[in-house]
Amino acid sequence: DAKTTQPTSMDCAEGRAANLPCNHSTISGNEYVYWYRQIHSQGPQYIIHGLKNNETNEMASLIITEDRKSSTLILPHATLRDTAVYYCIVRVAGGGGADGLTFGKGTHLIIQP
Amino acid sequence: DVKVTQSSRYLVKRTGEKVFLECVQDMDHENMFWYRQDPGLGLRLIYFSYDVKMKEKGDIPEGYSVSREKKERFSLILESASTNQTSMYLCASSLSPSRDYEQYFGPGTRLTVT
Repeated sequence: DAKTTQPTSMDCAEGRAANLPCNHSTISGNEYVYWYRQIHSQGPQYIIHGLKNNETNEMASLIITEDRKSSTLILPHATLRDTAVYYCIVRVAGGGGADGLTFGKGTHLIIQP
Repeated sequence: DVKVTQSSRYLVKRTGEKVFLECVQDMDHENMFWYRQDPGLGLRLIYFSYDVKMKEKGDIPEGYSVSREKKERFSLILESASTNQTSMYLCASSLSPSRDYEQYFGPGTRLTVT
């Protein structure tokens, strides 16, 4: 699996867009980019995933560069409840999940009032 | 919304006890997973299941067993609890093998074995 690199921590003002970057320069052609977050003392939460096109759902947008070596998760209007550790991972989909999810250190996003 | 529930948020058991952790999902998902999460070690996959009565070992199955008698329910069993099984246990489900890494997690059970 491709390795990902994320900043250790970021701050964002409440109501502003939070842009979380992730580098995955060794990503292979059939690997998807997935984003999860984990709020303190809760289970991880799936946010969004994509292969090469930009994706948007009710939680966030995912922007993947044309060369697929990096991506950005955008939370359009951050609230205090978005304070969490955000994880970017890459995986080949369709294998049944046998490899399990493994998170790196992620980015600790702190939303400031 | 997908809902994954776990039977307990906190559990304290004694060494040698048999422990049952229950997980239920309400979205007709095919796949279910059990992980443990420890500081510094991250998430580790214990067992997973693609279908009723099917189970596959993950990375750390030793000391654990699982049961999936119904599609919506996946149980993790610690046959004889030990102190090194003190951990946060997380259950997850995903719709199908093709959506395998789009996993929905329960709130977790923090198990302490004394």
